[in-house]
Amino acid sequence: QQQVKQSPQSLIVQKGGISIINCAYENTAFDYFPWYQQFPGKGPALLIAIRPDVSEKKEGRFTISFNKSAKQFSLHIMDSQPGDSATYFCAASIKGYQKVTFGIGTKLQVIP
Amino acid sequence: DGGITQSPKYLFRKEGQNVTLSCEQNLNHDAMYWYRQDPGQGLRLIYYSQIVNDFQKGDIAEGYSVSREKKESFPLTVTSAQKNPTAFYLCASSRGGSGNTIYFGEGSWLTVV
Repeated sequence: QQQVKQSPQSLIVQKGGISIINCAYENTAFDYFPWYQQFPGKGPALLIAIRPDVSEKKEGRFTISFNKSAKQFSLHIMDSQPGDSATYFCAASIKGYQKVTFGIGTKLQVIP
Repeated sequence: DGGITQSPKYLFRKEGQNVTLSCEQNLNHDAMYWYRQDPGQGLRLIYYSQIVNDFQKGDIAEGYSVSREKKESFPLTVTSAQKNPTAFYLCASSRGGSGNTIYFGEGSWLTVV
């Protein structure tokens, strides 16, 4: 049962363009939504995270947009660079629980 | 340096053998996790532990076993009952509770030959 649906599974973007990855969830008990970045052969690392009481969070070129009523959230990478080429995972967790549910992942390739 | 150490990085196993993947953390985190990563299937939770001497099954626990005898250690045994064990295994830890960052190790590649 996929509780967090992520799309697309792969994405090719021109250098300088905007990369957009979308996630949707069903469980309204989720209250924390992190994004992780994973380079080949490495473990994922936290990139940026948001709670449902805000609609947007920006850190440098990375922005999370959150739509609570639609139960959707997305990652925008502005001015995408070849160094951003990685796999990105959205995730969600419930307050008081250790378990984190991950999306299927999006493999991003930024071409020069 | 603080972090999570997984070993070995690469492991080959013959069919029918059990293997144990090591995971050690020096972050003083209460919670530890094991994930399995396969192409096109994302990160799937095998087992997690919130405190010493306690652990819970994740979504794909069949064919795996764990122990949590020390706070800093959470080894994973892939048993011969696991039908398709070839995968990338990731150990992780967190302070516990929702909203706390999960930190991942570098992963271990297991190949059945």
